[in-house]
Amino acid sequence: EAQVTQNPRYLITVTGKKLTVTCSQNMNHEYMSWYRQDPGLGLRQIYYSMNVEVTDKGDVPEGYKVSRKEKRNFPLILESPSPNQTSLYFCASRGYRSHEQYFGPGTRLTVT
Amino acid sequence: KQEVTQIPAALSVPEGENLVLNCSFTDSAIYNLQWFRQDPGKGLTSLLLIQSSQREQTSGRLNASLDKSSGRSTLYIAASQPGDSATYLCAVRPEVSGNQFYFGTGTSLTVIP
Repeated sequence: EAQVTQNPRYLITVTGKKLTVTCSQNMNHEYMSWYRQDPGLGLRQIYYSMNVEVTDKGDVPEGYKVSRKEKRNFPLILESPSPNQTSLYFCASRGYRSHEQYFGPGTRLTVT
Repeated sequence: KQEVTQIPAALSVPEGENLVLNCSFTDSAIYNLQWFRQDPGKGLTSLLLIQSSQREQTSGRLNASLDKSSGRSTLYIAASQPGDSATYLCAVRPEVSGNQFYFGTGTSLTVIP
């Protein structure tokens, strides 16, 4: 089954404790992206990657890092999480010639 | 920077009614526009995608239209059902920064049996 998976689905952590949210897709898609969703603000793009070793900032990259060492994986790294990063995070992928984005189920992160 | 607005934020209709959801965007230079459905606690499911050269797309009871010059899109749902209850989001992909996507804040739809 074609899908985008994220782990963990729920995470509660404390300020400053480094964490990684993993994202994996099995569709051989070139393009992957991370979004955060906040009430009243909608989904905002954090980072995106057009292929292995190619990443670029979205609208709200501050406080986040990403890497794309393998085509199928695109982890989101929070080196020193802060409470304002409490949010619902989505990973998405899209093929080079496809116009549709496929989304993962989301990761709900709470930073206390 | 592209801004996407969806009005109303919430909508409640009786079962069987036809309804229209609205999406507006500030910059008409778009590559495409996509409508999504989001169920509570779940990810986004793609419903319809309209290329900038197209005027509308249809899938079952759903019809999406695009008026690029006026910066508007509508999602028409015919004969609504309780299972249609969800949040509906639109997203635009600009021509210039083609790998960035801009989302509206969504319309929360409740279909009352």
